[in-house]
Amino acid sequence: ETGVTQTPRHLVMGMTNKKSLKCEQHLGHNAMYWYKQSAKKPLELMFVYNFKEQTENNSVPSRFSPECPNSSHLFLHLHTLQPEDSALYLCASSQGSSGGTTDTQYFGPGTRLTVL
Amino acid sequence: DQQVKQNSPSLSVQEGRISILNCDYTNSMFDYFLWYKKYPAEGPTFLISISSIKDKNEDGRFTVFLNKSAKHLSLHIVPSQPGDSAVYFCAARTSSGYALNFGKGTSLLVTP
Repeated sequence: ETGVTQTPRHLVMGMTNKKSLKCEQHLGHNAMYWYKQSAKKPLELMFVYNFKEQTENNSVPSRFSPECPNSSHLFLHLHTLQPEDSALYLCASSQGSSGGTTDTQYFGPGTRLTVL
Repeated sequence: DQQVKQNSPSLSVQEGRISILNCDYTNSMFDYFLWYKKYPAEGPTFLISISSIKDKNEDGRFTVFLNKSAKHLSLHIVPSQPGDSAVYFCAARTSSGYALNFGKGTSLLVTP
């Protein structure tokens, strides 16, 4: 596998379910990100991890819980979601703080989430 | 309030001609700008970038121009090819954070 991979690619869940999204990067990067893309809206940053430490939480509701066990893996744990949380969830990675001002983020293919 | 704007939702260009995609921003602290290309059912793919110390960056058929005084950048694709048909996102960041601020995207269609 190369680049950034995400599983599952599609997920349908009920409002009372608990599920997790997984992201893995094979680029040797130190920073990982979760973004959300809703219909007709630009990509919105949710969380940033740099060297496994969370450095940004963009006012995301607590029903979304990120986990970064190492620099290569990132999870997004989901529980008691609402239908309006249906969106494309994208993971990205970059060099992070060692990347300097031209640090570039590389994206995975995304997970299309539908909350019923 | 959206800090990066792509005011043209769609653009159609004939194969072989130039495609020009535009992007405006409001935050004068942005110092690094990127263009991403996205096909359906895939994540955004990094295309080209430019830092604020430059006004032009070229990579093959793709050139990005930055006009800091106008807070405007553009992506030129010459010559356009049918495989370039995709949604193009403009993004910007400051040097003090990791967050990329994205525009809503422009859907480019290159017709044979």
